[in-house]
Amino acid sequence: KNQVEQSPQSLIILEGKNCTLQCNYTVSPFSNLRWYKQDTGRGPVSLTIMTFSENTKSNGRYTATLDADTKQSSLHITASQLSDSASYICVVSAGKTSYDKVIFGPGTSLSVIP
Amino acid sequence: GAVVSQHPSRVICKSGTSVKIECRSLDFQATTMFWYRQFPKQSLMLMATSNEGSKATYEQGVEKDKFLINHASLTLSTLTVTSAHPEDSSFYICSARERGAWETQYFGPGTRLLVL
Repeated sequence: KNQVEQSPQSLIILEGKNCTLQCNYTVSPFSNLRWYKQDTGRGPVSLTIMTFSENTKSNGRYTATLDADTKQSSLHITASQLSDSASYICVVSAGKTSYDKVIFGPGTSLSVIP
Repeated sequence: GAVVSQHPSRVICKSGTSVKIECRSLDFQATTMFWYRQFPKQSLMLMATSNEGSKATYEQGVEKDKFLINHASLTLSTLTVTSAHPEDSSFYICSARERGAWETQYFGPGTRLLVL
């Protein structure tokens, strides 16, 4: 069964600190993995997208890693800011065509406090 | 980056009425559009996938006669919630996939529906 799990469910950190969010998946055949940031009451915004051959990808203070062997991904946020408070969603695509299945993780709710 | 808009951003309606939500890709052609529903503190749940010019494919448990989807052009898809009831109150989000770029998926800002 194609599934995406995320941990922790929620996280509270102090402004300026770093944090790492985890994503484990059981999706086959794997196509790509994306991390999205969703502010409350808004649509998700793409942070990174990685295919099978990519191990790491950065977007500003966001760095995503992918281990295709263990089927794990992480999103590391450096020097957190108050505006980083949001839900972070791991999304894995299964398949190799335009009709591939997209599986959403439940998200990690991050709160950055001053 | 590519922009997807939704209209309206929020709507309040009486039970029994129908509500139409528009999803537009503003600067690219979207051969495929997706409609999601999101309840508070939950992740997005795919409702249906629509390809331009063909009938939408609905996920299991989603009533096609209640949630009418039209994808008449490469830049516009509409979701009509027919005979809305309070349990249909939710956050509806569309996303669009650009022609030839099946790896990408751009999300709209969402539409908050409240059925009284």
